[in-house]
Amino acid sequence: GAGVSQSPRYKVTKRGQDVALRCDPISGHVSLYWYRQALGQGPEFLTYFNYEAQQDKSGLPNDRFSAERPEGSISTLTIQRTEQRDSAMYRCASSPQGEATYEQYFGPGTRLTVT
Amino acid sequence: KQEVTQIPAALSVPEGENLVLNCSFTDSAIYNLQWFRQDPGKGLTSLLLIQSSQREQTSGRLNASLDKSSGRSTLYIAASQPGDSATYLCAVRKGFLNAGGTSYGKLTFGQGTILTVHP
Repeated sequence: GAGVSQSPRYKVTKRGQDVALRCDPISGHVSLYWYRQALGQGPEFLTYFNYEAQQDKSGLPNDRFSAERPEGSISTLTIQRTEQRDSAMYRCASSPQGEATYEQYFGPGTRLTVT
Repeated sequence: KQEVTQIPAALSVPEGENLVLNCSFTDSAIYNLQWFRQDPGKGLTSLLLIQSSQREQTSGRLNASLDKSSGRSTLYIAASQPGDSATYLCAVRKGFLNAGGTSYGKLTFGQGTILTVHP
């Protein structure tokens, strides 16, 4: 079946603009996760949802970053007033349930470049 | 704070060799450990998931072991092939308390091992 999809795959924006990154999880998956990955590093946790409820947002770096999943399916990660340091690969993952025993399945990522 | 370290950072081997990738973590109170493969321009592919109660998992030419008490995991790749060339990441999962209760969602990743298998 279809895996996790993300759009756009590439986004170039100018400093100060807002961007919205979209994630469509595997159908039926309860939990959805956002990570950010810098070049040469492993992904770093940002936030996650069970259904539409945001369970943990401890990884969001500051209040310019926000995420929502209003109907418990597609999620949007929004970055306001982008800065060059926000440039990274943003990855989304989903899993069948939120409990720790389940694998997380990752999408292809969105490469964000802030100029 | 959980820290995950992978050694070596890069590895280049001839085709056919058996090899071992290492992952260590500082907090042994984990729920599970997951090994991923990352190919350029693509997402992360889950290879193996080891629950904290398990010692090892096998899938084809891959075998992952977990020694939770010592904070270590190894990924063994048998008879390596050029198609195995990729970055391999390990990630651990641990519950922790936050304002909303106990969170189980966070994976903490190592920085990865870049594997090159040459013909």
